Amino acid sequence: GAVVSQHPSRVICKSGTSVKIECRSLDFQATTMFWYRQFPKQSLMLMATSNEGSKATYEQGVEKDKFLINHASLTLSTLTVTSAHPEDSSFYICSARGWQMNTEAFFGQGTRLTVV
Amino acid sequence: QQQVKQSPQSLIVQKGGISIINCAYENTAFDYFPWYQQFPGKGPALLIAIRPDVSEKKEGRFTISFNKSAKQFSLHIMDSQPGDSATYFCAASWSGSARQLTFGSGTQLTVLP
Repeated sequence: GAVVSQHPSRVICKSGTSVKIECRSLDFQATTMFWYRQFPKQSLMLMATSNEGSKATYEQGVEKDKFLINHASLTLSTLTVTSAHPEDSSFYICSARGWQMNTEAFFGQGTRLTVV
Repeated sequence: QQQVKQSPQSLIVQKGGISIINCAYENTAFDYFPWYQQFPGKGPALLIAIRPDVSEKKEGRFTISFNKSAKQFSLHIMDSQPGDSATYFCAASWSGSARQLTFGSGTQLTVLP
């Protein structure tokens, strides 16, 4: 299957700072990317959907000013957690789908964010 | 109506046994039903998927059974192995929602050696 690379795999940051997470599609052009958040022993919660070159569509309850999503190219989307606080600590996962993939989306390895 | 209900929450199976995980959905617009396997600290990986025009799909030890009238689908893992121990998520999507996946709550499978 297609490869989606997410970086970094884990990051620790101080409260009040910002953290950027990258999601790259390595061997296909990702027209749509999704960002999820997952708490321990829970399911994936969709945060936002982004199409290349457009503003992201955020799910209800997700602060767009706190979780900045940029999908400026067909192979890269970024999630920036601004002014991070301990409650933002979580596992963040991206997935990507290309225009040829009518149904299937491929997931990145996830990023464990710890805010101290 | 967007929910996908998954059961059981956890499952313990002996090596060589059959693991069965069930999901039910409400939205009849769903037309793609994948199953994902997730190991701790990793992203989900697609295991197998089915469309509603077939009632069963098999890939190796993994089989999806689909019952359109009951709006239910299940994952069967035959000859379960300790390496299958992971969390399994069912999901569903439809074309009208940018193919967003609606996930079940997950099943933590433990296969005892």
